[in-house]
Amino acid sequence: IAGITQAPTSQILAAGRRMTLRCTQDMRHNAMYWYRQDLGLGLRLIHYSNTAGTTGKGEVPDGYSVSRANTDDFPLTLASAVPSQTSVYFCASSDRQGLTQYFGPGTRLLVL
Amino acid sequence: EDQVTQSPEALRLQEGESSSLNCSYTVSGLRGLFWYRQDPGKGPEFLFTLYSAGEEKEKERLKATLTKKESFLHITAPKPEDSATYLCAVQAGEDRDDKIIFGKGTRLHILP
Repeated sequence: IAGITQAPTSQILAAGRRMTLRCTQDMRHNAMYWYRQDLGLGLRLIHYSNTAGTTGKGEVPDGYSVSRANTDDFPLTLASAVPSQTSVYFCASSDRQGLTQYFGPGTRLLVL
Repeated sequence: EDQVTQSPEALRLQEGESSSLNCSYTVSGLRGLFWYRQDPGKGPEFLFTLYSAGEEKEKERLKATLTKKESFLHITAPKPEDSATYLCAVQAGEDRDDKIIFGKGTRLHILP
């Protein structure tokens, strides 16, 4: 059982380019989340999904979009990357909203 | 505004020197408090969930406690492998869409 996988592991991206970070879970969890982690700021929620077909905005949603076509996948898209989106991105899932979240290994993104 | 504050920001201990990490919170209607461990370059790893004041949970050298205003993570006779960043998170409120708020973490370094 893999739990949560994220791809790519790391990426260097030119500003203005479009990028999709992938997240897949095999635990059949209903809820999924995207966070960014920055030094001194901790983990901040970008978007979440309580169940397939629904999404919601977190604390820092601007510049990002998500979709939840099925239970297992929750991709995060940067439509036009900017340097301030340089960060480590973590995907997480929980059996239902509010219960313990389990995190993926992260994607390290550098926007130049 | 809901807030989660962890202290200290960083802590260095000798192997075997017990101590406690603090997580204080100001939220309306606590639904759950979570402790995670994060190793460098990895995603947060779930440790404990506490739901009500007076509750305690233990795992090896770690014990988490909860009051109405704060939680402590007690580390007894730590070993170098306990070195990590410890994150506290709180979920609060009555709304089904309430988010989890993370503290900025305590970086723990255990010296051999």
